[in-house]
Amino acid sequence: ETGVTQTPRHLVMGMTNKKSLKCEQHLGHNAMYWYKQSAKKPLELMFVYSLEERVENNSVPSRFSPECPNSSHLFLHLHTLQPEDSALYLCASSQEIRSYGYTFGSGTRLTVV
Amino acid sequence: AQSVAQPEDQVNVAEGNPLTVKCTYSVSGNPYLFWYVQYPNRGLQFLLKYITGDNLVKGSYGFEAEFNKSQTSFHLKKPSALVSDSALYFCAVSAYGNNRLAFGKGNQVVVIP
Repeated sequence: ETGVTQTPRHLVMGMTNKKSLKCEQHLGHNAMYWYKQSAKKPLELMFVYSLEERVENNSVPSRFSPECPNSSHLFLHLHTLQPEDSALYLCASSQEIRSYGYTFGSGTRLTVV
Repeated sequence: AQSVAQPEDQVNVAEGNPLTVKCTYSVSGNPYLFWYVQYPNRGLQFLLKYITGDNLVKGSYGFEAEFNKSQTSFHLKKPSALVSDSALYFCAVSAYGNNRLAFGKGNQVVVIP
């Protein structure tokens, strides 16, 4: 384990469901990130949080809703997703927002049916 | 905005032969450059980085990369590939003062026994 834990590892959901992805780190990092990984495409940065405040939202559809209740936990709430949202969702953390030693979790493999 | 190009989808190499994974970048200002590796069903793991100093950077597992400013490249190399090096390799770039780390689409490396 890297120190960043993501649950669940796999998730299958219908287009009308509501589900949440969870990310937890106990590395003492102050910045956390959500990335979307689709096959043969660059990793897409979705959200950036620094000290529980959202500092970047890269034009992500509102059906993805992040939440950062404290510096150790990050959630991604999912609602009325589309099949094209199926992907591997990766959480990462770093010491500060401009320190580049990212630590990644193993990801949640999401399938929307 | 910064970006990374990894021109090859897959790199095949015989075990024991040299391995090269190509990366070119585009960024305003001085680049910070990174390589990450992803094994199946795992998150990204940090391999090495270039921030400043010597253009040849040595990283984990015998990998190294050379920063070439004139060619805007940061190719990853290993003198003798192992079967266990088979994985997905990502190049990433950022600029000082920018909290965005832009990844390429990844290169699948297959080392043939």
